[in-house]
Amino acid sequence: EDQVTQSPEALRLQEGESSSLNCSYTVSGLRGLFWYRQDPGKGPEFLFTLYSAGEEKEKERLKATLTKKESFLHITAPKPEDSATYLCAVQAVNDYKLSFGAGTTVTVRA
Amino acid sequence: EPEVTQTPSHQVTQMGQEVILRCVPISNHLYFYWYRQILGQKVEFLVSFYNNEISEKSEIFDDQFSVERPDGSNFTLKIRSTKLEDSAMYFCATLGTGGASGANVLTFGAGSRLTVL
Repeated sequence: EDQVTQSPEALRLQEGESSSLNCSYTVSGLRGLFWYRQDPGKGPEFLFTLYSAGEEKEKERLKATLTKKESFLHITAPKPEDSATYLCAVQAVNDYKLSFGAGTTVTVRA
Repeated sequence: EPEVTQTPSHQVTQMGQEVILRCVPISNHLYFYWYRQILGQKVEFLVSFYNNEISEKSEIFDDQFSVERPDGSNFTLKIRSTKLEDSAMYFCATLGTGGASGANVLTFGAGSRLTVL
């Protein structure tokens, strides 16, 4: 069974204070690792897909990286609008469904 | 940008009542999913639907749940006899054709919040 573990559960940052979120995973053949952003009471919003170890993707202040066992989401100089829950999910080669981790809730204070 | 539309946004029902949650997928998407998120917990897979039949379902998706695509556009989740523990956000997600890079991203709707009293 696919397993996704995210840490920390919660992260409180001062505006401009960079940090990283971790996602460790086990999957029977990885098709892709996904990062989504979820705001309170809303659906997950797609950020990135990573397909192979060593791959990196960037979007504004966010950068995602992938190894064979884990992924990191780096937040550089965050702003209050980056406050959200960040979800990591894996997709196996034999399937398109996503298996999610519990998420990391990031709060950025001005 | 194309989006997945879900109705209702919030439904309150009495325990034992039937509920139908509706989803309008992105046009020409072929794979459809329902997920559930109980408050404070992770997003959990319920069921996947492709080519007018269920392709996979989780342990959560027991006999009280059913899905269908009644008119070729809407995709529905029916809960026959709701229980208190069915209270959650229910998300519909759709996928294009799969395969090529970028085509395997699930797009989620805003969700339907179900409250069972």
